[in-house]
Amino acid sequence: QQQVKQSPQSLIVQKGGISIINCAYENTAFDYFPWYQQFPGKGPALLIAIRPDVSEKKEGRFTISFNKSAKQFSLHIMDSQPGDSATYFCAASWTDKLIFGTGTRLQVFP
Amino acid sequence: GAGVSQSPSNKVTEKGKDVELRCDPISGHTALYWYRQSLGQGLEFLIYFQGNSAPDKSGLPSDRFSAERTGGSVSTLTIQRTQQEDSAVYLCASSNRQVDTQYFGPGTRLTVL
Repeated sequence: QQQVKQSPQSLIVQKGGISIINCAYENTAFDYFPWYQQFPGKGPALLIAIRPDVSEKKEGRFTISFNKSAKQFSLHIMDSQPGDSATYFCAASWTDKLIFGTGTRLQVFP
Repeated sequence: GAGVSQSPSNKVTEKGKDVELRCDPISGHTALYWYRQSLGQGLEFLIYFQGNSAPDKSGLPSDRFSAERTGGSVSTLTIQRTQQEDSAVYLCASSNRQVDTQYFGPGTRLTVL
């Protein structure tokens, strides 16, 4: 019940395309859903986050869509760029800890 | 300002040796977390410190793992009698309060031969 399931494991997108990464959870007590971006050799960095009282949050080319009834949330990267190539982790908070998904390796080709 | 720093960046040790990994959180951050990231895997929670409260050790995989945080700032993760399966990147993160943005350090890559 503490797991956050993330898919796909890897994703290849052409420059300018839309990248979509999906996550699902079971624990309805989760109340904070961030996405982290990690480049090789670096620690993860917060990209965008959402709370369950809204269904969508957009920051530049990055959008989180949140479906509370389905217990799913997704990250959309519009106009994907080669510089977006990284590993993306979804997460959900329960009490004072973050539970991370297993990550999606995104490769954007020119 | 300075971010979260970790040392060493890389550590190679022999099976059975003890290792200490250090984390310097962002100044003023009350919460500090340790995670383990195995090759190609997600982040596995290990331990969490919040202010002066007792740490949440629920993620420590065995009693060979321990951590302390001195003076509410610097933290040390100790792994005793290292095993090959301990090889991973150990990440530290800090935040200003509970369930807020966690700022990660660059990690320490531990290799146990």
